[in-house]
Amino acid sequence: EAQVTQNPRYLITVTGKKLTVTCSQNMNHEYMSWYRQDPGLGLRQIYYSMNVEVTDKGDVPEGYKVSRKEKRNFPLILESPSPNQTSLYFCASSPRKGDWYEQYFGPGTRLTVT
Amino acid sequence: SQKIEQNSEALNIQEGKTATLTCNYTNYSPAYLQWYRQDPGRGPVFLLLIRENEKEKRKERLKVTFDTTLKQSLFHITASQPADSATYLCALNSGGYQKVTFGTGTKLQVIP
Repeated sequence: EAQVTQNPRYLITVTGKKLTVTCSQNMNHEYMSWYRQDPGLGLRQIYYSMNVEVTDKGDVPEGYKVSRKEKRNFPLILESPSPNQTSLYFCASSPRKGDWYEQYFGPGTRLTVT
Repeated sequence: SQKIEQNSEALNIQEGKTATLTCNYTNYSPAYLQWYRQDPGRGPVFLLLIRENEKEKRKERLKVTFDTTLKQSLFHITASQPADSATYLCALNSGGYQKVTFGTGTKLQVIP
């Protein structure tokens, strides 16, 4: 089944403890992206990647890191999480169709930082 | 400043009527605009994309229009059904083709 998977789905952690949220897609998509979703603010793009070893900042990259060493994986790293990073996180992937991107979203990771 | 506004946080309509959702944007020049559906606790699902040189796109009961002069997109669901109840998000490319910005969404409730 074609899908985007994220792990973990739920995570409660403490301030400053490094964590990684994994994202994997089995559709051979070139483009992958991370978003956070907060009430009243909607979905905001954190980072995106056009292909292996090519990443760029979205609208809210502060406090996050990403890497794209393999086409299928795009992990999101929080080196020193803070309570304002408590949010619902979505990973998405997209095939390249001309110059636009129809995104397939994962199920989400609910992160709580205390 | 740049802004994407969707007409209202919530919209209630009667089953069988046409739902019309609005997406207005300021200080963007998007090459395309997309609409997604999101159910509670789930990731958004892509519905339709319309390019800047297209006026209208249709898919089954869905229709999207795009007016780059008004800086507005309208999303219509005809013959609405309770199963259409969800939050609908518009999104546009905000930097090149790859950087995407979403609106905050409109929660549609179709009443039987």
